[in-house]
Amino acid sequence: AQSVTQLGSHVSVSEGALVLLRCNYSSSVPPYLFWYVQYPNQGLQLLLKYTTGATLVKGINGFEAEFKKSETSFHLTKPSAHMSDAAEYFCAVTEEGSARQLTFGSGTQLTVLP
Amino acid sequence: NAGVTQTPKFQVLKTGQSMTLQCAQDMNHEYMSWYRQDPGMGLRLIHYSVGAGITDQGEVPNGYNVSRSTTEDFPLRLLSAAPSQTSVYFCASSYLWGSVTTYGYTFGSGTRLTVV
Repeated sequence: AQSVTQLGSHVSVSEGALVLLRCNYSSSVPPYLFWYVQYPNQGLQLLLKYTTGATLVKGINGFEAEFKKSETSFHLTKPSAHMSDAAEYFCAVTEEGSARQLTFGSGTQLTVLP
Repeated sequence: NAGVTQTPKFQVLKTGQSMTLQCAQDMNHEYMSWYRQDPGMGLRLIHYSVGAGITDQGEVPNGYNVSRSTTEDFPLRLLSAAPSQTSVYFCASSYLWGSVTTYGYTFGSGTRLTVV
């Protein structure tokens, strides 16, 4: 069975600092991995995804994530935080043959300090 | 492009009342699902469907019913509302077939439900 662990339910960074949100997964077959962002009182929006190919994936708003099979990780990074990045971030995993069902982590609330 | 449309956006119910949360998508997605989001618990799957006439239970199905009579619509029914069902509900849809590039959900904007 697939699962996702997001380390740190709350992360605070200063504006301009590096953003690092951690995600580890468990999957019995090669996974497909996703990061979603949820701004206050809104639905979830796809930030980026890894399916096949290059392990470093670039997404919207300057975010990127690297799939590391040996570490079973898919951490989300952004070199320089902006106030508008304050939101909740969800990591998710699925596998081929799972009827496309995503399993979500519990989320990480990112606060950006001025 | 409408994507996934959820109605209503907000609802207050009294304990014991019933209601239906509506979800419609215009992307011809085969897969549709309902999640509830509660603080500190992430997203929990309630019910899902892989096509018209086919539904199945997720992680937390008790107290909820679904049906899928068309590809576009996937309503969620609360049979007898309880305070424990106070939550934010999200509908999501996806292609079920196709290349790996089609993986990933499209979410609606959510329904915030309060049961008093």
